[in-house]
Amino acid sequence: DTAVSQTPKYLVTQMGNDKSIKCEQNLGHDTMYWYKQDSKKFLKIMFSYNNKELIINETVPNRFSPKSPDKAHLNLHINSLELGDSAVYFCASSQAQRRGPFMNTEAFFGQGTRLTVV
Amino acid sequence: ELKVEQNPLFLSMQEGKNYTIYCNYSTTSDRLYWYRQDPGKSLESLFVLLSNGAVKQEGRLMASLDTKARLSTLHITAAVHDLSATYFCAVDTSGGSQGNLIFGKGTKLSVKP
Repeated sequence: DTAVSQTPKYLVTQMGNDKSIKCEQNLGHDTMYWYKQDSKKFLKIMFSYNNKELIINETVPNRFSPKSPDKAHLNLHINSLELGDSAVYFCASSQAQRRGPFMNTEAFFGQGTRLTVV
Repeated sequence: ELKVEQNPLFLSMQEGKNYTIYCNYSTTSDRLYWYRQDPGKSLESLFVLLSNGAVKQEGRLMASLDTKARLSTLHITAAVHDLSATYFCAVDTSGGSQGNLIFGKGTKLSVKP
């Protein structure tokens, strides 16, 4: 069974459209993330979210919004898509709460969604 | 703002050679992770380093963590072509209950015969 799954794998859309990427994890983790990987392969955190707190990277445009219907899902909604939004978007999850010494907060990644805005 | 710096960003090496990739970070953390990414693929976890002095080895790769120096190394021994990939280090900056993994820019490794 896939631990972190995201759909779709590929998404091609026109500028100005609104789109969503879905993410689900079956690891029982309490924290989920969205990362953006640009053409230079740099990975930037966009959001970090658990059931109590959303941390937003201040550089993320407010056209991007995470939506979490429950602990196992964190979907990414993007409004008014722009050419510069083209990238690979990765969802990830980790167990971050109840941390103590030597606790593993390793993140597990989905397979990525390649978004192309034309 | 946390900075995670890897060097080199590009590494071309011959099979059989040894090399080290460095990961420096700018804030206190005792949790550091190494990931591998093959072209067009997702990130695969390689090593989890959770304390000062931690050393982990898997095959031809060995990772270590020095939290006082804020430095982790990924050492490659007798490289083989199958190790060609991009390697990322990631630092967990969270001090409370929220996870926050910040990644370095990655080191693209190419191992040539």
